[in-house]
Amino acid sequence: GESVGLHLPTLSVQEGDNSIINCAYSNSASDYFIWYKQESGKGPQFIIDIRSNMDKRQGQRVTVLLNKTVKHLSLQIAATQPGDSAVYFCAETQSSYKLIFGSGTRLLVRP
Amino acid sequence: DSGVTQTPKHLITATGQRVTLRCSPRSGDLSVYWYQQSLDQGLQFLIQYYNGEERAKGNILERFSAQQFPDLHSELNLSSLELGDSALYFCASSGGGTGELFFGEGSRLTVL
Repeated sequence: GESVGLHLPTLSVQEGDNSIINCAYSNSASDYFIWYKQESGKGPQFIIDIRSNMDKRQGQRVTVLLNKTVKHLSLQIAATQPGDSAVYFCAETQSSYKLIFGSGTRLLVRP
Repeated sequence: DSGVTQTPKHLITATGQRVTLRCSPRSGDLSVYWYQQSLDQGLQFLIQYYNGEERAKGNILERFSAQQFPDLHSELNLSSLELGDSALYFCASSGGGTGELFFGEGSRLTVL
């Protein structure tokens, strides 16, 4: 079936370091991309989004980079904190139909 | 709190049975989405409704069906349940203008 992203890998980082989570998407026609954070036992929460006419967007401590040439998306988290520990999903959609999620990356923050 | 309400939070049933999961979207949101999340897996898109009409379909089994009612709440019906149907089922809603979805806390289904 349709899929975005990687089989669930784990990224372990030291508290205070920067984290980079990567995602490969499959549909070159996708025009909107979102990163979600899912903490244990909870539903996914919106972190940041980016449209296909942009290649970079910054939020508070987070930056999303989009490379349409290689269909790659990344999420950068600055000064990673213990509260950032969660599973992160990238998602793509074309014209707001069928938001398709990747398989996720687990981020572990070491104190 | 996302504003999306799902019931029940937990459900345990036996193979062959039928269950109904309920979702109330955020106030004013016209779109409702259903996703299935198995253990340590990503979210598999099942189906989307917009203002009562089916808008998009994903990998939803024929044993599963859904609908969105005039008051915009939605139900996901799972029948002839199998062990492999055990999963978290998430409902999400959006205003329809962007792809940002607001997720409920999920319904955890266990099929024994």
